[in-house]
Amino acid sequence: AQRVTQPEKLLSVFKGAPVELKCNYSYSGSPELFWYVQYSRQRLQLLLRHISRESIKGFTADLNKGETSFHLKKPFAQEEDSAMYYCALGQAGANNLFFGTGTRLTVIP
Amino acid sequence: GAVVSQHPSRVICKSGTSVKIECRSLDFQATTMFWYRQFPKQSLMLMATSNEGSKATYEQGVEKDKFLINHASLTLSTLTVTSAHPEDSSFYICSARGPMLAKNIQYFGAGTRLSVL
Repeated sequence: AQRVTQPEKLLSVFKGAPVELKCNYSYSGSPELFWYVQYSRQRLQLLLRHISRESIKGFTADLNKGETSFHLKKPFAQEEDSAMYYCALGQAGANNLFFGTGTRLTVIP
Repeated sequence: GAVVSQHPSRVICKSGTSVKIECRSLDFQATTMFWYRQFPKQSLMLMATSNEGSKATYEQGVEKDKFLINHASLTLSTLTVTSAHPEDSSFYICSARGPMLAKNIQYFGAGTRLSVL
């Protein structure tokens, strides 16, 4: 069965410090992984997806199939990064996404 | 681009009444839309997948007679909570995926907070 695990509900880091939001998944097929972000009082929006292999707002995430992980990283956290982050798993050939429980990141000034 | 509008943003109703929530893709055609439910401090739970011109596909445990979904056009899907009860109070979120957009990317509405008294 598909499963997305975000072990940390809350994560606080100081401004300028590195940040890593963990995501592990369980899926027998070929996964497509996403990070979605929800800033305060805003809707959920796509941050990045693994197949794009791009850096968005300084964030990167690498799919590690051996460890079944898709951790989100940023070398220097900014206050505006404070938000709720959701890792999501898409199945090949299917439409829907499975979401993790989310991690609330707080960047302390 | 890829804006999804959800209306209303908040609704308060009496127990036993029905509530309709609309989800519109404003600048693209959405063959597939999704309805999620989010409880406080919990993740999004997929309720159903709405496909234009066909019946919605409900997730296990979601009562299709309770949560009626209609996707009558390529830009509009509606979720009707029938005979709402206090336990239906929740945050409902829709998203849309269009045929011309990257596979599996979903664009989300702002959500509807339903409070049933």
